[in-house]
Amino acid sequence: EPEVTQTPSHQVTQMGQEVILRCVPISNHLYFYWYRQILGQKVEFLVSFYNNEISEKSEIFDDQFSVERPDGSNFTLKIRSTKLEDSAMYFCASMIGPNSPLHFGNGTRLTVT
Amino acid sequence: GENVEQHPSTLSVQEGDSAVIKCTYSDSASNYFPWYKQELGKGPQLIIDIRSNVGEKKDQRIAVTLNKTAKHFSLHITETQPEDSAVYFCAATDLTGGGNKLTFGTGTQLKVEL
Repeated sequence: EPEVTQTPSHQVTQMGQEVILRCVPISNHLYFYWYRQILGQKVEFLVSFYNNEISEKSEIFDDQFSVERPDGSNFTLKIRSTKLEDSAMYFCASMIGPNSPLHFGNGTRLTVT
Repeated sequence: GENVEQHPSTLSVQEGDSAVIKCTYSDSASNYFPWYKQELGKGPQLIIDIRSNVGEKKDQRIAVTLNKTAKHFSLHITETQPEDSAVYFCAATDLTGGGNKLTFGTGTQLKVEL
């Protein structure tokens, strides 16, 4: 069964550094998402992306965050200057079209020290 | 915005027993309610979903019920097995605009004991 794949599985970075989290959505999917999960808390929506632009974003997704689909297969989340509170699991998700189920990757654990 | 409450936070059952997890939502516009299973170190995996035009849906040992009036929906797992042990999340969203911005519950840690 096709999967959403995310790399790396674990990223450690120092406060103030830039990080890029990478995702390869399922190949025929058109809608892409980033969610995050702080340890022990619920999964939270960050941003949705369709047709090469952001379609919706949460209040968490401030100017430090950006997303990009640099080619036909990758979808990235960049955090420009990481803060301690950015430490979390970041999940990429995709869906084939509107009103269809959302499929998640296994996540990238980001640790900011 | 939408708010989803989930309980219990932990649930321990004996193998073979049934498990029920309950969620409530606040936004009457929500019309899609998926359930995800998250195993340790993995992402949420969709196990079943229900749309607001039906009251119940079943897939083998898993069933979901929806009460739109009360804004409640529940996950029922029958004949539980040790491999059912995981964290289960309910979620809700309004699919009307075509997007799938899910609001998740806080999760239920299910433990199936031998």
